[in-house]
Amino acid sequence: DIQMTQSPSTLSASVGDRVTITCRASQSIGTWLAWYQQKPGKAPKLLIYKASTLETGVPSRFSGSGSGTEFTLTISSLQPEDFATYYCQQYNSYSRTFGQGTKVEIK
Amino acid sequence: QLLLRESGPGLVNLSETLSLTCTVSAGSISDYYWNWIRQPPGKGLEWLGHIHYSGGTNYNPALKSRVTISVDTSKNQFSLKLSSVTAADTAVYYCARGLGGCGGDCYISWGPGTTVIVSS
Repeated sequence: DIQMTQSPSTLSASVGDRVTITCRASQSIGTWLAWYQQKPGKAPKLLIYKASTLETGVPSRFSGSGSGTEFTLTISSLQPEDFATYYCQQYNSYSRTFGQGTKVEIK
Repeated sequence: QLLLRESGPGLVNLSETLSLTCTVSAGSISDYYWNWIRQPPGKGLEWLGHIHYSGGTNYNPALKSRVTISVDTSKNQFSLKLSSVTAADTAVYYCARGLGGCGGDCYISWGPGTTVIVSS
């Protein structure tokens, strides 16, 4: 299985901050990477796929970059509704795997 | 807007088979890939497997011997069976539709999730 490791596990930030979350794959996955946002008690929501393609309707303050083994999700100006847990997911291999999650908390 | 909803028993006995159904509405199941994903309490997400509407399947190798996913296009439903359950199978189970732009392998529409507890 390809292991996905996110950092940090928890991030404290304020409204308006620029926030960056990193996801590393245990082997190269090209750009076969997606990012999700999950709020407590809710299903995840797809934000980005193919490493940098913004899903329809997702605000442009979200962006993704990277290829190979290292990827980033950036929120350019954190909004109150962005406090949530974020997951990366690879879909390069036979078995799709997720990172362990990064919780974005209010500072 | 496609809607998905999981249904099935919320409590399953140890060593028995967990069975869930996902009903798709406001759209047809006769396209795309259809997935099962779970999330143990306080933990991350685990992909269990998917089925194409034509019936082709792909399972998580770690669970392959215990997982079966099937589809009933006449009812616009697909189902999950997980055999020989243990406490580690206690989780919120989600059904989800794969996005064409990811070849079906990222998940654009999700059900609200259903909690399954394995009881001893």
